Amino acid sequence: ETGVTQTPRHLVMGMTNKKSLKCEQHLGHNAMYWYKQSAKKPLELMFVYSLEERVENNSVPSRFSPECPNSSHLFLHLHTLQPEDSALYLCASRRTGNTEAFFGQGTRLTVV
Amino acid sequence: AQRVTQPEKLLSVFKGAPVELKCNYSYSGSPELFWYVQYSRQRLQLLLRHISRESIKGFTADLNKGETSFHLKKPFAQEEDSAMYYCALMTGGTSYGKLTFGQGTILTVHP
Repeated sequence: ETGVTQTPRHLVMGMTNKKSLKCEQHLGHNAMYWYKQSAKKPLELMFVYSLEERVENNSVPSRFSPECPNSSHLFLHLHTLQPEDSALYLCASRRTGNTEAFFGQGTRLTVV
Repeated sequence: AQRVTQPEKLLSVFKGAPVELKCNYSYSGSPELFWYVQYSRQRLQLLLRHISRESIKGFTADLNKGETSFHLKKPFAQEEDSAMYYCALMTGGTSYGKLTFGQGTILTVHP
């Protein structure tokens, strides 16, 4: 598939589980982002990676741990989440020097 | 800190009517502003950016630095325009620029 691909599309996990969200792009982009979209809040930026280096951590709790092993892949590792962490998690990417960001379809996470 | 405000959560118009989605921003630097759109069951995608001064799908948006606004307008709304619209501000430059989004406006165009 072209564009930004996120897996899984849906995830239900218990508060003691460990899971990971995956984002993949083969657009030649070198900046990648995690956003959180909750029901009653604007899209919230969580992490920014540029050239595989984390350049921003937007005061996100440590139970969320990002990983960017290469410019095409981005992970969000989840551990001991809370019910209020239930949301749609969006990945985006762009090429540095270009302003347009491309988004994945998101992972709908439910913490029970 | 930067902020984007979209005062209307919901906006309903009839087909053929003009539509304006409001966006105000707060940023001390030189703003780069965008409108993103999310149609039903589709991913968030760029609609237009202020720097291009373009018209996409009949939509235009003008940056007004005096009023710190970037309202999205279309003279004749169509049913296929029904979607969620987000105004966004890019900061950090084009090196690792991050997007700050407004809370979004759900536009419904009735037949």
